[in-house]
Amino acid sequence: DAGITQSPRHKVTETGTPVTLRCHQTENHRYMYWYRQDPGHGLRLIHYSYGVKDTDKGEVSDGYSVSRSKTEDFLLTLESATSSQTSVYFCAISESAGVGNTIYFGEGSWLTVV
Amino acid sequence: AQTVTQSQPEMSVQEAETVTLSCTYDTSENNYYLFWYKQPPSRQMILVIRQEAYKQQNATENRFSVNFQKAAKSFSLKISDSQLGDTAMYFCAFMKPYGGKLIFGQGTELSVKP
Repeated sequence: DAGITQSPRHKVTETGTPVTLRCHQTENHRYMYWYRQDPGHGLRLIHYSYGVKDTDKGEVSDGYSVSRSKTEDFLLTLESATSSQTSVYFCAISESAGVGNTIYFGEGSWLTVV
Repeated sequence: AQTVTQSQPEMSVQEAETVTLSCTYDTSENNYYLFWYKQPPSRQMILVIRQEAYKQQNATENRFSVNFQKAAKSFSLKISDSQLGDTAMYFCAFMKPYGGKLIFGQGTELSVKP
C-alpha cells in the first residue's frame, strides 16, 4: 500500500466554519491530488499539485483552496463550509504524470457540514 | 473535454459466473490511458486493471480482463469466476498521457450473490 495518510478521517462541522483536511505521504511523489466523491458523480478532481508551491484547479474547485509547502503534505481548505461540501474526500499521489503513471489513493475523509 | 459514462448503476451476478461492466468515453485524444478501479465497502480505491490506448492487445489481470474498442470508445471490464469479495463499486477512469489527472465515470455497483 502506498504511504498516504489523511486526517481527519471523520469530521462534522457547522456551516460557515473553516475546515482543513490534510494529506501526508511518505513516498516522495511529486504529484498530489484532492478528489471528492458524491453519489451519481464518481470522483471529481478539486485541486492538484505538481510540486512544492505549484498547484492548479480541477473541475470542482469553487469554495476550496489548497497549499503545499512541503513535498509530503497537501492541505485542502474549505474557507467557509457549506452543506453542498458534505462529501467523502480522497487524496491521491503519483510519481509522475507521464507514461506508466499510476495514481494511488488514500482511505478517504468523511466530512459532514450541518 | 473528456467524459466517461457508465450506463449500469447496479448489477448483480451469481458466484462463479461471469459478468461484464460497460464503460464508454469521449475524447479527441489519440493517446491516453484507461483504468478500472474497485471500491469495496471500506471505500478504499483499488486499481484493478489499466489499458494503454496505443496497445491493441486487451489487458488481463488474473480473473479480470478488458475489451478495449478504440474506434467505438468502449472499455468494458469482464470478471470471470466471480467471488463474493468482488462485491464493490467499480469505476472506469480516463487519463491523458501527460495530464496526470483521472476523469471518472459515475460507477457501477456490483453485487456477487452466493
